[in-house]
Amino acid sequence: NAGVTQTPKFQVLKTGQSMTLQCAQDMNHEYMSWYRQDPGMGLRLIHYSVGAGITDQGEVPNGYNVSRSTTEDFPLRLLSAAPSQTSVYFCASNRGAIGTDTQYFGPGTRLTVL
Amino acid sequence: ELKVEQNPLFLSMQEGKNYTIYCNYSTTSDRLYWYRQDPGKSLESLFVLLSNGAVKQEGRLMASLDTKARLSTLHITAAVHDLSATYFCAVDPPIRGATNKLIFGTGTLLAVQP
Repeated sequence: NAGVTQTPKFQVLKTGQSMTLQCAQDMNHEYMSWYRQDPGMGLRLIHYSVGAGITDQGEVPNGYNVSRSTTEDFPLRLLSAAPSQTSVYFCASNRGAIGTDTQYFGPGTRLTVL
Repeated sequence: ELKVEQNPLFLSMQEGKNYTIYCNYSTTSDRLYWYRQDPGKSLESLFVLLSNGAVKQEGRLMASLDTKARLSTLHITAAVHDLSATYFCAVDPPIRGATNKLIFGTGTLLAVQP
């Protein structure tokens, strides 16, 4: 199993550009999440999904969209990038609800918005 | 709103010494998680604590949960350099239904000196 994979590893955008961060898992996990990590602030949940076709907002959803058309993939879209979105983004998946199963994290995407 | 605080934020300790990292949270929850992050890497699940009084141990690390005090501790016994990393606690807010929400603490950077 590859586990949780994320692409790209690094990305530089200009303000106003759009892009999609890709996340895929091959463990047949129902639950997937996107977090951002900023210095001194720990991880903050952006969006999450409890199954294909079902998504919901986390703590900091503004400026981000998600969809979950398949169990394997959970892309994160930035429609109009802003410097405040400079961060490291982690995708995670778990088979069952948090607390019933280990949450596995991807390697992260480091995004810089100029 | 659930808040999760860790202290200390930075801990420098000598090999062979014992120490404790504290994780306090502001609202009722009986599910708490500990993660480890090595520099520039992703997060790795360490412990899942699901009830009051829960205690888990792995090697030199032991985690416990007191839901009445809203406090979890991560105790390090006879530290070794390999334990140097950032440690995060995360709390599952008391929300009905299937969610994947976690609120993370800001992390404790542990540096074990020879």
